[in-house]
Amino acid sequence: NAGVTQTPKFQVLKTGQSMTLQCAQDMNHNSMYWYRQDPGMGLRLIYYSASEGTTDKGEVPNGYNVSRLNKREFSLRLESAAPSQTSVYFCASNRAFNSPLHFGNGTRLTVT
Amino acid sequence: EDKVVQSPLSLVVHEGDTVTLNCSYEVTNFRSLLWYKQEKKAPTFLFMLTSSGIEKKSGRLSSILDKKELFSILNITATQTGDSAVYLCAVETNAGKSTFGDGTTLTVKP
Repeated sequence: NAGVTQTPKFQVLKTGQSMTLQCAQDMNHNSMYWYRQDPGMGLRLIYYSASEGTTDKGEVPNGYNVSRLNKREFSLRLESAAPSQTSVYFCASNRAFNSPLHFGNGTRLTVT
Repeated sequence: EDKVVQSPLSLVVHEGDTVTLNCSYEVTNFRSLLWYKQEKKAPTFLFMLTSSGIEKKSGRLSSILDKKELFSILNITATQTGDSAVYLCAVETNAGKSTFGDGTTLTVKP
């Protein structure tokens, strides 16, 4: 009964380093999403995947890449981290468009 | 550009008070409006509204949508300290993407 699992929970990077955030869901959902949340702000969509094999840009895609590895897994990659990417990252999934999102517990990323 | 505005940004009340949170939106091809509650970590789903004038209710929480005036309200009656959280409003379009407001931080004091 895990729902949406994100790893790692915390990460500190130096400017220019790369890393991949992992996300997996066990609810057989078709659509998956990556959001970032900055202090005092709502969630902004980075990338989403409507179904296995497809990905699309969201509101703030610059500096990120994604891979929908299979139906369960959707990863987010930072190729060259910048301090402006310091944020909390949430992965989410839903059965289809027009259904509620289920969120993971987030990854707190700090870039120094 | 799709836009969702929540008000107030923050609110402090005492247990037993009733609160009303507001969400207004301007989006292309509206499909649904959703409310989420965010405590320490992940947002959790409260309501999804697609039709005007039909109230959704769950215990002390209720919500309604006005598609003509482009807004929704979330009411919480007889507030408890456990209601303290950030309440997020999100609007989904026919393209399947959700735009979130900045949230209302509710603090309920004993």
